[in-house]
Amino acid sequence: DTGVSQDPRHKITKRGQNVTFRCDPISEHNRLYWYRQTLGQGPEFLTYFQNEAQLEKSRLLSDRFSAERPKGSFSTLEIQRTEQGDSAMYLCASSSVGAQETQYFGPGTRLLVL
Amino acid sequence: AQSVAQPEDQVNVAEGNPLTVKCTYSVSGNPYLFWYVQYPNRGLQFLLKYITGDNLVKGSYGFEAEFNKSQTSFHLKKPSALVSDSALYFCAVRDRGGAGSYQLTFGKGTKLSVIP
Repeated sequence: DTGVSQDPRHKITKRGQNVTFRCDPISEHNRLYWYRQTLGQGPEFLTYFQNEAQLEKSRLLSDRFSAERPKGSFSTLEIQRTEQGDSAMYLCASSSVGAQETQYFGPGTRLLVL
Repeated sequence: AQSVAQPEDQVNVAEGNPLTVKCTYSVSGNPYLFWYVQYPNRGLQFLLKYITGDNLVKGSYGFEAEFNKSQTSFHLKKPSALVSDSALYFCAVRDRGGAGSYQLTFGKGTKLSVIP
């Protein structure tokens, strides 16, 4: 069990550019979640996958955001035409299938949009 | 809708003293409740969870939490604080009957400072 990993850990970009983040879940976990955390706030849910199916999306996930998990293993989160308000920590978590399962979080990707 | 309130932005406690970090929740059904800890520039580490059964839940690093249904609370406690416990603590809830939704709703966090 190597834990959830995320890449990159930090990203600085200019407004209007596209960025993509990657998350590798714990290997036996079927569920994968994305959250966003801004300064002084708790994480806010964005979306989750069970295997390759995206089953839930928050209203926070605007049209500029897209997430994929093509083979049911790693996931990518892309933000198109970044805005300064997108600056945040993007957290990925994974869990086993089951109503009671704990979500385990990765170290996050900190995005700064200039 | 589900929500979490952590009424204290910061809690200061002397090393060796007991600590309490407060959390209250709101869900339409019955809750699953979680505590996570976050160190600077790091992700969240799981501490403990309440699913069902015994209202006193024991977790990692000597932490425990008590579920109180009538007060809709899930306060985090530790008998003797360590300087290394200084961090940001988040309470989270998920509605057990939430129509298949697995999203966690988090509080704003409480910064715990343990003073040597």
